[in-house]
Amino acid sequence: EIVMTQSPTTLSVSPGERATVSCRASQSARGDVAWYQQKPGQAPRLLIYGTITRATGIPPRFSGSGFGTEFTLTISNLQSEDFAVYYCQQYNNWPLTFGGGTKVEIK
Amino acid sequence: EGQLVESGGGLVQPGRSLRLSCAASGFTFEDYAMHWVRQAPGKGLEWVAGIFWNSNSIGYADFVRGRFTISRDNAKNSLYLQMNSLRAEDTALYYCVKDRGQQTAGLYYWGQGTVVTVSS
Repeated sequence: EIVMTQSPTTLSVSPGERATVSCRASQSARGDVAWYQQKPGQAPRLLIYGTITRATGIPPRFSGSGFGTEFTLTISNLQSEDFAVYYCQQYNNWPLTFGGGTKVEIK
Repeated sequence: EGQLVESGGGLVQPGRSLRLSCAASGFTFEDYAMHWVRQAPGKGLEWVAGIFWNSNSIGYADFVRGRFTISRDNAKNSLYLQMNSLRAEDTALYYCVKDRGQQTAGLYYWGQGTVVTVSS
């Protein structure tokens, strides 16, 4: 099983600034990593798949990078609607696994 | 994107069984892999099980292997999760999720979930 370790657990950022969330895989996930956003009381939403590709309707301020075991989600120019919990996930092989989540909160 | 509607959740005693269903509409169900993902109250996301479009490949999380069975009926546009030997730690909101592709390519569209509570 590939263990996905996210950091930090909580990130305090001011609106308009940049947020960077990291995810480390215990073994190579190649480029098969996705990122999700979840707001309170809502189902998660796919943001990024294939490490770098934005899902339909996701604004360009969301970007992903990495390969193998190190991955990053960057949110530029944070908007009020971006304050949420973010999860990374690998789908390179079964079982699929998620990171523990990062809460991006208003500073 | 379509629509995914989960059902079958509820309160059940430890050791008993429950069967979740997910009715899909608005897209060609047989073209996509499907998954169950759960979220315990106040906790993170846990992938439970997944099934390829043609049922030729099925995967389970270690914590449910041998107790839960995922299946699909493409003729009925439906996904199922048979849950046996339920434990208190299985208490969670269970989401039905559509993949981006026929195999695994990202969890694209999520239902609103059905709540399972395991308690005596």
